[in-house]
Amino acid sequence: DTEVTQTPKHLVMGMTNKKSLKCEQHMGHRAMYWYKQKAKKPPELMFVYSYEKLSINESVPSRFSPECPNSSLLNLHLHALQPEDSALYLCASSQAGSLMNTEAFFGQGTRLTVV
Amino acid sequence: SQQGEEDPQALSIQEGENATMNCSYKTSINNLQWYRQNSGRGLVHLILIRSNEREKHSGRLRVTLDTSKKSSSLLITASRAADTASYFCATVQGGSEKLVFGKGTKLTVNP
Repeated sequence: DTEVTQTPKHLVMGMTNKKSLKCEQHMGHRAMYWYKQKAKKPPELMFVYSYEKLSINESVPSRFSPECPNSSLLNLHLHALQPEDSALYLCASSQAGSLMNTEAFFGQGTRLTVV
Repeated sequence: SQQGEEDPQALSIQEGENATMNCSYKTSINNLQWYRQNSGRGLVHLILIRSNEREKHSGRLRVTLDTSKKSSSLLITASRAADTASYFCATVQGGSEKLVFGKGTKLTVNP
């Protein structure tokens, strides 16, 4: 199984809503990532979890709250978002340690629209 | 923060032709990776080239790396309509867990 599964595929939420994005992998990877991608732009790193601990936060606003309940799951909790947060949110995973000798595996993303 | 700059931003060719995309970056790297993205969905890893390597092949893909010029190129030979996608280079610095993407090249292969 070389898949990273993200749910839901599409999400529309109001600015006062609370929602969560979910990501799951069963490749035994111990590093997991959240990226944000706006239309016609490259993915931008948001968070990195390594061995279930948050290792990198790229100065992301607190309305985005990541969680890694176990080595297979990664969540992104959303609260009080703005319309400009509408984007494709991508989850990725890789073998533990670093990306020195290995690639990242990406999910198909959640397309988020904030209204 | 973005590391790589791809060139060209968009490329349109006929099926059977070769496609060359270039990537430049700014800092020293451990490796450089190329990814492909179809229609704004997930990214698929194509090839990884380490900083001590100069050229790598995988099927119809050929990647070169020039660390003195801080640049890389991706060549797709005998292109097919199914190669239509956006292609991104991404760099890894040192022992980092950060994969930083360039701006990407949108490739269109016309049948």
